[in-house]
Amino acid sequence: AQTVTQSQPEMSVQEAETVTLSCTYDTSENNYYLFWYKQPPSRQMILVIRQEAYKQQNATENRFSVNFQKAAKSFSLKISDSQLGDTAMYFCAFMMDSNYQLIWGAGTKLIIKP
Amino acid sequence: DTAVSQTPKYLVTQMGNDKSIKCEQNLGHDTMYWYKQDSKKFLKIMFSYNNKELIINETVPNRFSPKSPDKAHLNLHINSLELGDSAVYFCASSRQLGSSEQYFGPGTRLTVT
Repeated sequence: AQTVTQSQPEMSVQEAETVTLSCTYDTSENNYYLFWYKQPPSRQMILVIRQEAYKQQNATENRFSVNFQKAAKSFSLKISDSQLGDTAMYFCAFMMDSNYQLIWGAGTKLIIKP
Repeated sequence: DTAVSQTPKYLVTQMGNDKSIKCEQNLGHDTMYWYKQDSKKFLKIMFSYNNKELIINETVPNRFSPKSPDKAHLNLHINSLELGDSAVYFCASSRQLGSSEQYFGPGTRLTVT
């Protein structure tokens, strides 16, 4: 069975700092997708970034980038120049190419301090 | 324009009641989902519908019944509500079954007293 582990329940950094959230997963599949979702206090679930496992290049979306290590089954999210609006729960999620179910991590609560 | 909308946003009700949560997407997607997020923030899929047909029915009590009148709507009806049903329920949609991106609604916080 596929599992997703986020080992950091909570993190806090100062505004403008860089922060990295960790995520590891377990699968025997070769083709899959990985995602980071953000859930701010408003509760809306927002897709931050996604990575296709067949792509070696790490995905980047503005201040958000990932470090995808397929062999190590690691998918960390780096937030550069953090902003107060980045304060949220961040969820790592996994989806197999052959299956449409999102498997979720437990989430990391990120607090950006002014 | 809200892509995936849910009503109501908040729902407080007593044990034993029957309630419904509505979901609508205007993205033209074929597949819709219901997730439950518990007090520890863990998300678990409950149902998935593809073109109005049930695809996933994870081990949820049969008190929960999804209804899809058309592919833009997936409503969740809950009978005989229990305290343990208190959670945030998210609706989501994706372009088609197996699409890698899912778009989420704002969530409905259900509190059973």
